[in-house]
Amino acid sequence: DAGVIQSPRHEVTEMGQEVTLRCKPISGHDYLFWYRQTMMRGLELLIYFNNNVPIDDSGMPEDRFSAKMPNASFSTLKIQPSEPRDSAVYFCASSFRDRVFEQYFGPGTRLTVT
Amino acid sequence: ELKVEQNPLFLSMQEGKNYTIYCNYSTTSDRLYWYRQDPGKSLESLFVLLSNGAVKQEGRLMASLDTKARLSTLHITAAVHDLSATYFCAVRILGTAGNKLTFGGGTRVLVKP
Repeated sequence: DAGVIQSPRHEVTEMGQEVTLRCKPISGHDYLFWYRQTMMRGLELLIYFNNNVPIDDSGMPEDRFSAKMPNASFSTLKIQPSEPRDSAVYFCASSFRDRVFEQYFGPGTRLTVT
Repeated sequence: ELKVEQNPLFLSMQEGKNYTIYCNYSTTSDRLYWYRQDPGKSLESLFVLLSNGAVKQEGRLMASLDTKARLSTLHITAAVHDLSATYFCAVRILGTAGNKLTFGGGTRVLVKP
């Protein structure tokens, strides 16, 4: 399996622009997670899905952030409008509902908002 | 609210010596995970600890879990340079559905010759 795939790997955009991050989970995994990592706040869970349904979005910072999972093999995280404080590395992870529930992380998208 | 604290935040190691990273958490949990992150890279799963007294070992790394003390340790034996990385523990709150994890702040490890 190719693992969790994220695109783009790097994104540089200007403040006010819309940004869309993409994730393809590992085939067969039924949980998908979006995290944000910054030096100041560490690794934060933004939202997670189970069987394509959002379960907990309490970590989404504000209404500018939205996430969707239209099918089992694709998810997006959108920021509109983007702000410089959104600059971070965004990770997508997936896991399978078994006893271990181990999460597998994608390579991340480094977002820079100028 | 679950809090997960790691210490130390930074650990400078000498090759060949032994060290321990500690992970304390504030609420009853049934699963604890250890991850490794190299600079500029993603997180790689190291260990999953599922019960009190669980011990897992891989190479020079050994992780253990004491659910009564709400403490996990990651022990490094005879440190070598390629163990330089940031190590995270992550905890799931007992009784929650799904697998929402709370991560510690990470311990940055630098192994010097």
